[in-house]
Amino acid sequence: GESVGLHLPTLSVQEGDNSIINCAYSNSASDYFIWYKQESGKGPQFIIDIRSNMDKRQGQRVTVLLNKTVKHLSLQIAATQPGDSAVYFCAENIRAGKSTFGDGTTLTVKP
Amino acid sequence: GAVVSQHPSWVICKSGTSVKIECRSLDFQATTMFWYRQFPKQSLMLMATSNEGSKATYEQGVEKDKFLINHASLTLSTLTVTSAHPEDSSFYICSARDHGKLHFGNGTRLTVT
Repeated sequence: GESVGLHLPTLSVQEGDNSIINCAYSNSASDYFIWYKQESGKGPQFIIDIRSNMDKRQGQRVTVLLNKTVKHLSLQIAATQPGDSAVYFCAENIRAGKSTFGDGTTLTVKP
Repeated sequence: GAVVSQHPSWVICKSGTSVKIECRSLDFQATTMFWYRQFPKQSLMLMATSNEGSKATYEQGVEKDKFLINHASLTLSTLTVTSAHPEDSSFYICSARDHGKLHFGNGTRLTVT
């Protein structure tokens, strides 16, 4: 399953499928990007980050892709599990300054 | 790993009273902490940057006299919501940076009745 832009705030996928969550950022000067996961009633939890000198970074079951040309960021979650259900935010930073958060995408994983 | 602790996790107060929220970095020192506000089903909005030993930097539109920030030590920042009103009801979250990564507290749910 895949979310499109900032205007589709929810994504529902079947357990075991791959998920793609998209984010458009606003500032071409941003040089550091982070994906966070936020569960209900909790603070955001770091998932993965990427610097602007890279276009792809992989973690455990997650991959972040950065396209600076179109100012687009995506988070790919492989083999999505029910525990992945949460709201996902991207955030952009300039020179390790304050983080600006994008609109979130609510991911629901159906068993 | 780095842990940021917020207290209280939730608070209910009457309109017109003040509420203080604490944010502590438990195993690292933070010269800078960030305070965010989050309304239901919305993103995190940065309110202010708390600087140890100096004045906080507020984002545009955030009233510094209403949201008092004190960062008296390298491990503690406090946010006081003064003369709270129902529209101040929200989820307040703090964060601090350790080795370049932002770590977030678990938030404080404020309800003003």
